[in-house]
Amino acid sequence: DTAVSQTPKYLVTQMGNDKSIKCEQNLGHDTMYWYKQDSKKFLKIMFSYNNKELIINETVPNRFSPKSPDKAHLNLHINSLELGDSAVYFCASSRDSYSPLHFGNGTRLTVT
Amino acid sequence: QQQVKQSPQSLIVQKGGISIINCAYENTAFDYFPWYQQFPGKGPALLIAIRPDVSEKKEGRFTISFNKSAKQFSLHIMDSQPGDSATYFCAASMTGGGADGLTFGKGTHLIIQP
Repeated sequence: DTAVSQTPKYLVTQMGNDKSIKCEQNLGHDTMYWYKQDSKKFLKIMFSYNNKELIINETVPNRFSPKSPDKAHLNLHINSLELGDSAVYFCASSRDSYSPLHFGNGTRLTVT
Repeated sequence: QQQVKQSPQSLIVQKGGISIINCAYENTAFDYFPWYQQFPGKGPALLIAIRPDVSEKKEGRFTISFNKSAKQFSLHIMDSQPGDSATYFCAASMTGGGADGLTFGKGTHLIIQP
């Protein structure tokens, strides 16, 4: 009965590869987000989607692309992975723009 | 440019003591100030939140104090317990949750010693 679930939990890959992280929420929320947490635990928003439309897009490299097949899913695709992409990526959702965020348990990405 | 500054970076408190974490913000358009708690291997979870129309909000052992003129807010954990050991993040937003996304502080690693 996990509210926001991400897969995989761990992802180890080599530089230059392309990878995806999947996120699903069963809360019926309208807005979903991707956050990046670096090695110092600093959390920064990357994207948010509301009703399948991108509503904010922080200054992240265009190698990162969010894909939302439906309201309950927001996947993150990363092309040409770099060492600096190593981090924990969190998916989150909220009922609307004014409601609290519910986070998943994160995907630890390690690029070697 | 960091819009929400959090201190201290780490904090050790004896069981039963009061844990205090402080945050300061720069953007006066912020109107929602939540605190999140994160345990190792887990995502952040909302602990308590406040809007600038009140100066204090209490939920159980957790209290937020808010000073709009000073652009500061703080989290007080009363009767701190070992189970409170976690990383705490303050955050701010202009639209509640919100559409602009939360701007987080850099976190405080809290250890409650038995």
